[in-house]
Amino acid sequence: DTAVSQTPKYLVTQMGNDKSIKCEQNLGHDTMYWYKQDSKKFLKIMFSYNNKELIINETVPNRFSPKSPDKAHLNLHINSLELGDSAVYFCASRTSLQETQYFGPGTRLLVL
Amino acid sequence: AQKVTQAQTEISVVEKEDVTLDCVYETRDTTYYLFWYKQPPSGELVFLIRRNSFDEQNEISGRYSWNFQKSTSSFNFTITASQVVDSAVYFCALSEARGFGNEKLTFGTGTRLTIIP
Repeated sequence: DTAVSQTPKYLVTQMGNDKSIKCEQNLGHDTMYWYKQDSKKFLKIMFSYNNKELIINETVPNRFSPKSPDKAHLNLHINSLELGDSAVYFCASRTSLQETQYFGPGTRLLVL
Repeated sequence: AQKVTQAQTEISVVEKEDVTLDCVYETRDTTYYLFWYKQPPSGELVFLIRRNSFDEQNEISGRYSWNFQKSTSSFNFTITASQVVDSAVYFCALSEARGFGNEKLTFGTGTRLTIIP
C-alpha cells in the first residue's frame, strides 16, 4: 500500500548509457513531479505534469525526457548519461485540490 | 522569484534538549504555502507540515511546533525534548499558488540535525 513508489531504488551505470526511472502513485493524484537532489542535498524541481500534460520544464537538458502514460505514472528517461547526472531523483505527487506534495523513496543514480 | 534560506547548516544537541530550526523565505505573492520536510538517514522525504499564507496560527503536534511570522517572513520549527530519532536533515520549502501543476516547491538548503545520546 505504498503511496508513491519508484523503481529502481539504486541504479549504477556507465557514462553514455541510457536509463529509465519509473514512478507510480496510488493516491489518485493528478499532478506529478520529478526533483533532483545533488550531492550537497540541494533539491530542485525538474518537471511537473498535470493530467498527463507537461507543465513545468525547469531548464533541464533535453537528454532528460519525462513521459506520463497516465495520471498514475510518470517516468524519466535519461539519454547519454554523464557523470554530473549522479544524484538522487525523487518523484512526487499531489492533487490539484491541495498543496502538499508527497514524495517517493528516491532513486539513487550513480554514473561511472 | 521565490527563495528559502536555512542559515543553519548543521546543529548538534544533546538528547532531551529543545532545538529550533530557522527558515526565512522570500516571495512577491500574497498567497503561498510553506512546508517542512524531514529526510532521515534512510533518505526518504517525509512531509511534516503545511501552512498557508493566510494562517499565522502557530501549530503544535506532539513534540513539534511551528512558528509562522509574516512580519519577519519566517517559519521556524522547534523540537521539544529531542530524541535520537529526530536526527535527520530538515528542509523548509515554499510554494506559490499557481494551480494545475504550475506550483513548484522551492527548497532551502536543509539543516542537518544530530541528536547526541
